[in-house]
Amino acid sequence: AQKVTQAQTEISVVEKEDVTLDCVYETRDTTYYLFWYKQPPSGELVFLIRRNSFDEQNEISGRYSWNFQKSTSSFNFTITASQVVDSAVYFCALSGSNTGNQFYFGTGTSLTVIP
Amino acid sequence: EPEVTQTPSHQVTQMGQEVILRCVPISNHLYFYWYRQILGQKVEFLVSFYNNEISEKSEIFDDQFSVERPDGSNFTLKIRSTKLEDSAMYFCASSESPGRRGYTFGSGTRLTVV
Repeated sequence: AQKVTQAQTEISVVEKEDVTLDCVYETRDTTYYLFWYKQPPSGELVFLIRRNSFDEQNEISGRYSWNFQKSTSSFNFTITASQVVDSAVYFCALSGSNTGNQFYFGTGTSLTVIP
Repeated sequence: EPEVTQTPSHQVTQMGQEVILRCVPISNHLYFYWYRQILGQKVEFLVSFYNNEISEKSEIFDDQFSVERPDGSNFTLKIRSTKLEDSAMYFCASSESPGRRGYTFGSGTRLTVV
């Protein structure tokens, strides 16, 4: 079974603080893909990153960084020096090689950055 | 940058009415999807479509739902007899290759059943 858990329902930080959003996944597939999407108040889903299960290298993109650890089945997302525009709901998602094309989303973490 | 376009952005319909949600996927994409997000909840898979047929569907996608690619550019989701619990944001997505490599979502249609 595929499952994504985002234990943090809501987080509030003050602008310029760093914040980490947690994502823990479960899968029996040996090949799988992990994703992060941002959903701003306007409602659309904005793709942030994709990671495959064979690539555990951490990635940095500007103020965003991702820490993928297979040993703990986690794919955490850190925003450095948060800004008000980062306020959104963030979803982690999983797709496995044996589960066709469908994505399994976590329940999301609502991030509020206070100016 | 190519986009997936969904219309309308918001639709209000009466319970029991049929509704059709429309999507224009990215032109060279071959795989199409519908997802649903009930307000405040997670995004859930409904159906995937490839080569003019459904390739996967979830338990949510029952006989009340159908999908169609009527003219080679549009991709539609029809709900035959809407219920209050169908109120949700519906996202269309498309991908060039099988979706586990990631796909592009549309901006969604918010369906409100009254």
